[in-house]
Amino acid sequence: DAKTTQPTSMDCAEGRAANLPCNHSTISGNEYVYWYRQIHSQGPQYIIHGLKNNETNEMASLIITEDRKSSTLILPHATLRDTAVYYCIVRVPETGANNLFFGTGTRLTVIP
Amino acid sequence: DTAVSQTPKYLVTQMGNDKSIKCEQNLGHDTMYWYKQDSKKFLKIMFSYNNKELIINETVPNRFSPKSPDKAHLNLHINSLELGDSAVYFCASSQGWGVETQYFGPGTRLLVL
Repeated sequence: DAKTTQPTSMDCAEGRAANLPCNHSTISGNEYVYWYRQIHSQGPQYIIHGLKNNETNEMASLIITEDRKSSTLILPHATLRDTAVYYCIVRVPETGANNLFFGTGTRLTVIP
Repeated sequence: DTAVSQTPKYLVTQMGNDKSIKCEQNLGHDTMYWYKQDSKKFLKIMFSYNNKELIINETVPNRFSPKSPDKAHLNLHINSLELGDSAVYFCASSQGWGVETQYFGPGTRLLVL
C-alpha cells in the first residue's frame, strides 16, 4: 500500500524550477525517500534518494523536512524532456522484494 | 549499450496461449525484478530474484513463472494467458537486495485477445 501522497498533476514553465511535493507522514525511522520518474512509454528511471539530509545530484535536489513527514523534489531548470510521472516512494533498503511500491505519482507537464 | 533490455517490445496473442518475455542486463547486477503496469498505470512488483533466491508477490498467479538461466537473464513465462494479463511488463535490476537504484528496461507491451 502506498505510504505517500502526491498531487495528481502539476505544470511548470520551461526553464523554471519544478518543485514536486510528497507527504509521507507515517514514515518510520529507517525508511528512505526515493524518487523515480517515468517518461511516457519508457521504464521508470531512478532520480535521487535520501534519509534525512538534503541531497543533490546531477538530476535534482531532494529536500526533506526536519520531521521527515514530507519532502520536495526540485528540478532546478525544467526542460520539456522532464515531462513525466514522478513517483515518491518510501522504503527500507537492503530488504527483500515487495517494498518498492509505485503509487499514482505526480504527472509533471513542462510547458514551453 | 542498453543496460536492461527486453524482448519482445510488443506481444499480441490469443487467450490460452503460453508466452515468454526475455530480459537481459549487462550491468553485472545480482538482483533482477519483474513488474507489471496495468491500464491504470499502477506499477506493481511481481518477482525479485537474487542468487537463486526468489521472492514472489503473493498476488501473482502461478501461471507466471520467472526463469533465470544465469545472473544476467531473468525471463518471464506466462501460461494460459488471460485477458487480464494485458499490461506492460518491466524488467529491472539492481546491484543487490534492496539497493536503492533499480534500472528498468523499456517494457514489453502484452495484449491478450
